[in-house]
Amino acid sequence: DVKVTQSSRYLVKRTGEKVFLECVQDMDHENMFWYRQDPGLGLRLIYFSYDVKMKEKGDIPEGYSVSREKKERFSLILESASTNQTSMYLCASSSRLAGGYNEQFFGPGTRLTVL
Amino acid sequence: AQTVTQSQPEMSVQEAETVTLSCTYDTSESNYYLFWYKQPPSRQMILVIRQEAYKQQNATENRFSVNFQKAAKSFSLKISDSQLGDTAMYFCAFMKPNGAGSYQLTFGKGTKLSVIP
Repeated sequence: DVKVTQSSRYLVKRTGEKVFLECVQDMDHENMFWYRQDPGLGLRLIYFSYDVKMKEKGDIPEGYSVSREKKERFSLILESASTNQTSMYLCASSSRLAGGYNEQFFGPGTRLTVL
Repeated sequence: AQTVTQSQPEMSVQEAETVTLSCTYDTSESNYYLFWYKQPPSRQMILVIRQEAYKQQNATENRFSVNFQKAAKSFSLKISDSQLGDTAMYFCAFMKPNGAGSYQLTFGKGTKLSVIP
């Protein structure tokens, strides 16, 4: 079974702190994604990566950055956390199959609270 | 850009009954994929069912089936014989393959389904 793990289920940080959210997948997937989930807004894509050291902006990249130094690990970084970044963060991964769909497998999520 | 609309923020259904969740989308693409994802309370998001746009036959997975109307850009999910474990947020999602092969998903805002004993 595909397993996507996230470093923390719950995280509480102070405004202005630098925050790292880690995601690891064990299925050798090329693609990895970071989403933000808010009530009434669904899931919104922050950043994605389709290869090591490659990254692409999603729909809401402002205030975030990412790092992918190894294929299995994709980190989301909040350089200076703000209260409006309080949210649930979901990581996902998928393989890159030519000519077909790519099911995305999700991690359990990290609920981040910025005080 | 693609948009996905789920017009029912919340729904409820009696156990063993049938319920249909609505989803519409907007795209100019002809080749794409559609998905329904389920997120149980405090649990991971999992794929329920998927549909390729080029296939006319509606997808079915056990008690879950879809009604895919390509011309109307509609993709509804029918859950038959509802069970308590079906209580969850359900997200409709659209995927258009891009040249980089990253296959991004666009999600609707979700429908919260409660199954009542």
